[in-house]
Amino acid sequence: ELKVEQNPLFLSMQEGKNYTIYCNYSTTSDRLYWYRQDPGKSLESLFVLLSNGAVKQEGRLMASLDTKARLSTLHITAAVHDLSATYFCAVANSGGGADGLTFGKGTHLIIQP
Amino acid sequence: DTGVSQNPRHKITKRGQNVTFRCDPISEHNRLYWYRQTLGQGPEFLTYFQNEAQLEKSRLLSDRFSAERPKGSFSTLEIQRTEQGDSAMYLCASSPRGFRSGNTIYFGEGSWLTVV
Repeated sequence: ELKVEQNPLFLSMQEGKNYTIYCNYSTTSDRLYWYRQDPGKSLESLFVLLSNGAVKQEGRLMASLDTKARLSTLHITAAVHDLSATYFCAVANSGGGADGLTFGKGTHLIIQP
Repeated sequence: DTGVSQNPRHKITKRGQNVTFRCDPISEHNRLYWYRQTLGQGPEFLTYFQNEAQLEKSRLLSDRFSAERPKGSFSTLEIQRTEQGDSAMYLCASSPRGFRSGNTIYFGEGSWLTVV
């Protein structure tokens, strides 16, 4: 059974600082997604990572994937308050025709002025 | 294109009643997914359709849950004899092909269910 673990689960940081959220998963997969969720809202897609060594950047966010280590990171550079949200990684279930995603518990990020 | 649409957005029901949620995916998306999310947790996969065919169901989808996509467009998720443990946000998502093609899966705003 695929398990996805994120850490930290809660993170409070100051504006201007850098930080990294980690996502580990337990079985082989070559599709990993990062989503953002604001309170009471749905999920906004941030990145889709498809292959080992993939790196994608959008603004102050950068995501990477290491399929051999079964690890993805979401790096935040020079954080701003608007990035406060919950961030989820989700890993594709592979094999057996399965097509769902398994999500981590999320990282609740608060960025203080 | 207004994205994935779900209704009702909020539903409060008494235990034992039946409820139905509707999802209208992004047009021409042939894959449709249902997820459930409880407070403080990530979404949990329930089921998915490719066109009108329901191809996978999670163990979470008990006999009280049924989902349909009769014409390969909109979908409904019905919960019979609701229990308090069914209280959650039910999320619908769609994608143009399987995510194995690298396509993004787009989520709707969700339908909040409270069972009292």
